This record gives sequence, structure tokens and C-alpha cells, in this order.
Amino acid sequence: ETGVTQSPTHLIKTRGQQVTLRCSSQSGHNTVSWYQQALGQGPQFIFQYYREEENGRGNFPPRFSGLQFPNYSSELNVNALELDDSALYLCASSTRTSGSVDTQYFGPGTRLTVL
Amino acid sequence: AQSVTQLGSHVSVSEGALVLLRCNYSSSVPPYLFWYVQYPNQGLQLLLKYTSAATLVKGINGFEAEFKKSETSFHLTKPSAHMSDAAEYFCAVVHPSGGGADGLTFGKGTHLIIQP
Repeated sequence: ETGVTQSPTHLIKTRGQQVTLRCSSQSGHNTVSWYQQALGQGPQFIFQYYREEENGRGNFPPRFSGLQFPNYSSELNVNALELDDSALYLCASSTRTSGSVDTQYFGPGTRLTVL
Repeated sequence: AQSVTQLGSHVSVSEGALVLLRCNYSSSVPPYLFWYVQYPNQGLQLLLKYTSAATLVKGINGFEAEFKKSETSFHLTKPSAHMSDAAEYFCAVVHPSGGGADGLTFGKGTHLIIQP
């Protein structure tokens, strides 16, 4: 069974640029959630994708957007990068079933540095 | 909305001593609760979870946690600490309805230090 994978592992960008982070979900999982973890903090929920649609979102501005593909992999896009966007971005996959909350399994993360 | 408070940003114990990491939650309904561990430069690994079944939950690596509704707590314990337990520990909560679409709400984490 393949776990959650993310690419790239590290990324350096400058303010104002755009970035795309990628995530492959664990085999058999149909839901992907993205989190931002600033240094020394707990992860914060960005959004969740299920059946290729965003079905939940945290307190993040619209310049954070995403996609989910038919194979359940996902992308996180961030436009107009700001210095505060520097963080570890974590992807988690799970299986959404009616009326229950499945465990989220996390990937190793992508470390984004904005200069 | 739910929230999580982890008391103690750093906890230091001696090897072989009891580990106790505290987590209190706030939620309008009994939530699902999780403990995750994060080693340096890695993602999060699930230790254990509470999903309204048994209140005492056993996890991996000898860890366990007890859900106490009256105290709104979900403290993590391990009888005997090992050097390999040194890591960052996160408590997380999610509302049981909505399929988890609101995402996990995490505490700020507790850094566990093991003294030889």
C-alpha cells in the first residue's frame, strides 16, 4: 500500500510569484485535505477536496486554490505569494463515507520559503 | 466551532518515566479526537484516535489516551518513555458530522524532550 506522497519536498519563491504543490493520495482514499503549518505552530486547515470539488474551507483567502483529479491526486495553488506564506504545506488523504469521519493520513509535506 | 488547548509547549521527562501530555477541547458536541506525532522534518503520524467508542484508546508505540467528557480532556500517556519518543505531539479535534469537511483543528503542539 502506497502512502501519501507530496512534491516537491522544498521550494523557494519570491514575493508575488505563484506556486503549485502536488499530492498523491493513499491507495483507496477519495478525499484530500491541505494544511499550512507555520514554524512552531500546529497545522491549519486550508481546504478539502472530495469528488473533484472543494467541500470545506478554512480561513484562507481566495488566492489559495486547489484541484482534485479523477485519480484523487490534488494540487494546491497559491497566487501572489507573501512572506507569511512561508510554511510546511501538508496534504492528508482519507476516505469519506456518509455520516462518518475517517482518519486523515498525512504526507511528508512541502517546505515553501518565500523571499 | 471547536478548539484545542495543549497545556505545556515543552515537556521534559527522564527515560523510563511516565509521559503525560495534556489536551483539552472545546466543542458544542462530543467530537472525534486524535493524537498525531511529528518527527523533525517529517509529516504527521497518527498515534491514536477516539471516535465515540471506548473511552480508553490504545495506540501505537505504547501510547494511550482517555476521553473524559466531564473534563473535556483527552490526555496522552505512556508508562515508560524511550529516547525515540522525543518529538512534537499534536492533539486534534473534528466535528463528527459533515464528513470532516471542516478539517481537523489542531492544538499548538507539545515538544516532548526525553532526558537520558
